[in-house]
Amino acid sequence: QSALTQPPSASGSPGQSVTISCTGTSSDVGDYNYVSWYQQHPGKAPKLMIYEVNKRPSGVPDRFSGSKSGNTASLTVSGLQAEDEADYYCSSYAGRNNYVFGTGTMVTV
Amino acid sequence: EVQLLESGGGLVQSGGSLRLSCAASGFTFTSFAMSWVRQAPGKGLEWVSIISSTGGITSYADSVKGRFTISRDNSKNTLYLKMNSLRAEDTAVYYCVSEGFHFWGQGTLVTVSS
Repeated sequence: QSALTQPPSASGSPGQSVTISCTGTSSDVGDYNYVSWYQQHPGKAPKLMIYEVNKRPSGVPDRFSGSKSGNTASLTVSGLQAEDEADYYCSSYAGRNNYVFGTGTMVTV
Repeated sequence: EVQLLESGGGLVQSGGSLRLSCAASGFTFTSFAMSWVRQAPGKGLEWVSIISSTGGITSYADSVKGRFTISRDNSKNTLYLKMNSLRAEDTAVYYCVSEGFHFWGQGTLVTVSS
């Protein structure tokens, strides 16, 4: 199981938008609508931000949105705020009860 | 409020064993699959293992297959991870995670010394 590929870093000014990509294969991202995104602040546990490609858990601002096209999923953070500065990870179901995470992206505001 | 509280981490020598526990509360533990996810120091997240709600189905990452065993005790709302033949590369914070990776514990640190 190879990790999903994410850019190491992304940045934007307050109020701007940033989009993070998550590239897998036809055996994971491309085959299932079970892509999730997580936010992790330093020293903290990850927090689920998006699940099943584009669904937001209760309490997650609608500034966070997800999408998928082929083998690549994307997370967009609109109206960037200082508290959005964190590491972001994607994950995907990979079949036969296996899961795979992305390499992680550090977002700087 | 969902709470997942891991315990059992610590320092162990290479080749040794350790058992992690995760006490769950605030939701119907018996209805949901559970996973372990780890994060090596300064590195990304790695899925380790999953167990079905009844415990009848388990799956493991290739990196731990044959060495780690996931289990659960639904009468105690507790998830376990038995880790054998530990290696330096198993050093990580281990997170207990609910089905769909919706809720995460705070993690427990496992350090394997070589």
